[in-house]
Amino acid sequence: AQRVTQPEKLLSVFKGAPVELKCNYSYSGSPELFWYVQYSRQRLQLLLRHISRESIKGFTADLNKGETSFHLKKPFAQEEDSAMYYCALSAPYAGGTSYGKLTFGQGTILTVHP
Amino acid sequence: DAGVIQSPRHEVTEMGQEVTLRCKPISGHDYLFWYRQTMMRGLELLIYFNNNVPIDDSGMPEDRFSAKMPNASFSTLKIQPSEPRDSAVYFCASSLRATGGDGYTFGSGTRLTVV
Repeated sequence: AQRVTQPEKLLSVFKGAPVELKCNYSYSGSPELFWYVQYSRQRLQLLLRHISRESIKGFTADLNKGETSFHLKKPFAQEEDSAMYYCALSAPYAGGTSYGKLTFGQGTILTVHP
Repeated sequence: DAGVIQSPRHEVTEMGQEVTLRCKPISGHDYLFWYRQTMMRGLELLIYFNNNVPIDDSGMPEDRFSAKMPNASFSTLKIQPSEPRDSAVYFCASSLRATGGDGYTFGSGTRLTVV
């Protein structure tokens, strides 16, 4: 079974401080991992995915297979980064009902204070 | 494309009433997902469809919940009878292909309040 754990429900930092949102996963194969963001009163949207190795809005995330982690990082937080962040895992292999579905963690509410 | 469209945006109903939530996925997307969002449990997958066929409904809480996808452009999630603990935001999402490589496109959600 696949599982995603975000240990911090709430995270508060000051503007300009580094921020790291933790994500750990449990999956027997090689998963696809994503970060989604939900700004206040807006729909959930994709922030970044590990296969793209991209940086979006200054955020990066590195897949660490040894630690089964996919932490989201930003060196200098901005007030507009305040949002709910979800880490998600997708099982890429065919077969079984796990294929094709995105499993989310419980989410972390990030608040960036001025 | 207008994206994934959900209706209604808000629903307030009395306990025991039937509630129907609606979703129109993005045209051409073969996968449709229903999620429930609560503060306590985050985002939970309720059910998903591939080419209109339900693939995994293991997340449906109980028999009071049912979902249908009669065609590629429409899906419903029904709760009958509704209970206060069903209060949550219900999201529909669609995806072009099986894995999340392109990410899911989410609707704006339906905020359900059962009093």
